[in-house]
Amino acid sequence: AQTVTQSQPEMSVQEAETVTLSCTYDTSENNYYLFWYKQPPSRQMILVIRQEAYKQQNATENRFSVNFQKAAKSFSLKISDSQLGDTAMYFCAFRANNLFFGTGTRLTVIP
Amino acid sequence: DTAVSQTPKYLVTQMGNDKSIKCEQNLGHDTMYWYKQDSKKFLKIMFSYNNKELIINETVPNRFSPKSPDKAHLNLHINSLELGDSAVYFCASSQDSSGWETQYFGPGTRLLVL
Repeated sequence: AQTVTQSQPEMSVQEAETVTLSCTYDTSENNYYLFWYKQPPSRQMILVIRQEAYKQQNATENRFSVNFQKAAKSFSLKISDSQLGDTAMYFCAFRANNLFFGTGTRLTVIP
Repeated sequence: DTAVSQTPKYLVTQMGNDKSIKCEQNLGHDTMYWYKQDSKKFLKIMFSYNNKELIINETVPNRFSPKSPDKAHLNLHINSLELGDSAVYFCASSQDSSGWETQYFGPGTRLLVL
């Protein structure tokens, strides 16, 4: 069975600072995909970044980057130069067949 | 233009009633999904359709019945609503069911069963 664990229910960061959200997963699959989704107060689920498990290079999207450690089954999200609009719930997700979500980390960016 | 839309946005109803939530995507995607997000924000897949065919059916009570009249629509009908059905329901779509394609989510439907 696949599981996704986000061990930080809540985090906060000062505006313009950097924050890292952690995510670990458990699977016996070798080919899979990993995602980070953002859910702002509007409730919309928005894809932030994604990573293919067979790619060793860490994905980067502007201020968002991941640290993918396949052997450790870890997929953390780093947000650089945090902005007020980054305040949201962040969900780590894993997909081999179905998309499994973690329980989320509530991030607050403090002005 | 809204890529994935859901109606209604809010739904308040009595226990025992039957209700439907509609979902439409205008992205030309082949695959559509229904997710349930409970009060603790845990998001879990319920169903997935690819080209109008059911491909994923997680452990969901038979009271929930999805219907896909065409590729662009995936509606969710719920019979005999129970208190535990109160949640936010998200529809999503992706180009295909391969796993890599980004899933685009609708705005969610907040269902409250009284």
